[in-house]
Amino acid sequence: GAGVSQSPSNKVTEKGKDVELRCDPISGHTALYWYRQSLGQGLEFLIYFQGNSAPDKSGLPSDRFSAERTGGSVSTLTIQRTQQEDSAVYLCASSLDSLTYGYTFGSGTRLTVV
Amino acid sequence: RKEVEQDPGPFNVPEGATVAFNCTYSNSASQSFFWYRQDCRKEPKLLMSVYSSGNEDGRFTAQLNRASQYISLLIRDSKLSDSATYLCVVRGNYGQNFVFGPGTRLSVLP
Repeated sequence: GAGVSQSPSNKVTEKGKDVELRCDPISGHTALYWYRQSLGQGLEFLIYFQGNSAPDKSGLPSDRFSAERTGGSVSTLTIQRTQQEDSAVYLCASSLDSLTYGYTFGSGTRLTVV
Repeated sequence: RKEVEQDPGPFNVPEGATVAFNCTYSNSASQSFFWYRQDCRKEPKLLMSVYSSGNEDGRFTAQLNRASQYISLLIRDSKLSDSATYLCVVRGNYGQNFVFGPGTRLSVLP
């Protein structure tokens, strides 16, 4: 597609439920990133996939969070046993992973845990 | 010390003013530098890359000083539509993550 696509755009879930967030990067982009942003706050790095290399998971806040990227394209971020503090906008970005090429972000998934 | 630091802001300026944002980074091995803008409740969007020689795109000028590990963004003749949060972004090398600064909020007032 022309841009990074994320779904759903909004998700309201009950505390304790699991959620899956999907990201479809720009075709041909080898690098994919997940961030989250709480209201009025900066971007918080979660995880980074680059080609076939092992992902950089250093930003995942707890073991309730996991992500995978299948076939080097679509990625799914899973949050198990959601908590209210997980409420945020989850942003996915992809890149050609060239030194001169920046990210392109998707429009995000707004997650609300009630 | 944070990897990327920016002027805390907010900057409130009248239309037509010139405004400059500063950004410093701690990793001397950083290779790539960018400015992004983020409108309220929207995703960040790439504004411009920052090259060693400095670069200009219309009313926007970006400068890089590797010796001082400092990046700047200058906006001339500011417009109401320039109101946004401006994010400084730094990257080390291939396979390394982009590091975002906390952002500087700009409000251009009529």
